[in-house]
Amino acid sequence: NAGVMQNPRHLVRRRGQEARLRCSPMKGHSHVYWYRQLPEEGLKFMVYLQKENIIDESGMPKERFSAEFPKEGPSILRIQQVVRGDSAAYFCASSPTSGETQYFGPGTRLLVL
Amino acid sequence: AQSVTQPDIHITVSEGASLELRCNYSYGATPYLFWYVQSPGQGLQLLLKYFSGDTLVQGIKGFEAEFKRSQSSFNLRKPSVHWSDAAEYFCAVGVNDYKLSFGAGTTVTVRA
Repeated sequence: NAGVMQNPRHLVRRRGQEARLRCSPMKGHSHVYWYRQLPEEGLKFMVYLQKENIIDESGMPKERFSAEFPKEGPSILRIQQVVRGDSAAYFCASSPTSGETQYFGPGTRLLVL
Repeated sequence: AQSVTQPDIHITVSEGASLELRCNYSYGATPYLFWYVQSPGQGLQLLLKYFSGDTLVQGIKGFEAEFKRSQSSFNLRKPSVHWSDAAEYFCAVGVNDYKLSFGAGTTVTVRA
């Protein structure tokens, strides 16, 4: 049973470009969570999604950031018009239901030049 | 507001020595508590978790943690560290059914 998969593992963007980060949850998991880890800090919750629904996006910046988890395919975290402050590691986690242990992917390390 | 404090930013320990990592939390209700380990460039791996019951929790890789409600602590321990234990360790509290709040992490260096 493959774990949580994220791609790309590393992403370099110039200021103003768009970044798309993908997350495929573990098989049988329909709950996905995105966290951001800034340098020298712990992970911060961004958003919680179930298939086709955003349950809690209280940790998402109000502008430029969006997330989706379509009926088919991976969950996508999209950052428009990236700025240098968006440089961070973005981790996805999944669980079979809410309240269950979250299993983390290897992360996508975004660098904005 | 919920918060997690890991007082030690960096700990250096000799191989074979014991290790204890501190974690204190601030949370109104009975918390769900977790310890994760992150190796360089890797994702987070769950070491152990506490939901209820026995306050001494056994995890993988020889780690254990003890929940002490009176001290609002969930310290992680290992009797004898191996060089492969060098990593960053994160304590987390489950804020609700789905939101985890993480501490800033403790980096462990193991010297030969």
